[in-house]
Amino acid sequence: DIVMTQSPLSLPVTPGEPASISCSSSQSLLLGNGNNYLEWYLQKPGQSPQLLIYLGSNRASGVPDRFSVSGSGTDFTLKISRVEAEDVGVYYCMESLQIPYTFGQGTKLEIK
Amino acid sequence: QVQLQQWGAGLLKPSETLSLTCAVFGGSFSDHYRSWIRQPPGKGLEWIGEISDGGITKYNPSLKSRLTISLDMSKNQFSLKLNSVTAADTALYYCARHIRGSRGLDSWGQGTLVTVSS
Repeated sequence: DIVMTQSPLSLPVTPGEPASISCSSSQSLLLGNGNNYLEWYLQKPGQSPQLLIYLGSNRASGVPDRFSVSGSGTDFTLKISRVEAEDVGVYYCMESLQIPYTFGQGTKLEIK
Repeated sequence: QVQLQQWGAGLLKPSETLSLTCAVFGGSFSDHYRSWIRQPPGKGLEWIGEISDGGITKYNPSLKSRLTISLDMSKNQFSLKLNSVTAADTALYYCARHIRGSRGLDSWGQGTLVTVSS
């Protein structure tokens, strides 16, 4: 199985400040078609996860442009330019290259 | 606006069969893969398996021997069966639909808490 490792696991952030979450995979998620088979999800408290980013760099419908991503291959970063109160929750990266798809441990973002 | 609604028994005894169904409302049911994911209480997410329009399934090897995912295109529904459950199968189970042409899961059910206890 591909092992996904996120850091940090806990992220306290002041509203209006930027935040970043790292995700690394035990093998490259980049295929010859140029796509990275990596997704990012946010699970808000008491809710089902919601898709933020798919195929490495594509924002899902309705996701604000303050969310951006960088990286390719084995190392990726999700960035929030200015954190808002509604961004609290647990962020997960997930590889979708190889069965079984695997998730990172999750990064809990909280407001200071 | 696509909505996924799921249901099934929430309390099982060890060795029983877990059975959940997910219905898709709105949008297109075809041309999308569908997955099941679970989350043990207070823990992270685990992908269980997926099914395509043609009924082709891919399962998590850790569950494969006990797992069946099926599809009813006429009802816009797909289902999960997990045999011989133990306490380790206690979790919040989610159904989800993939974005067309991608493995991103863009629509999720509300989740069903399944508890296995004698």
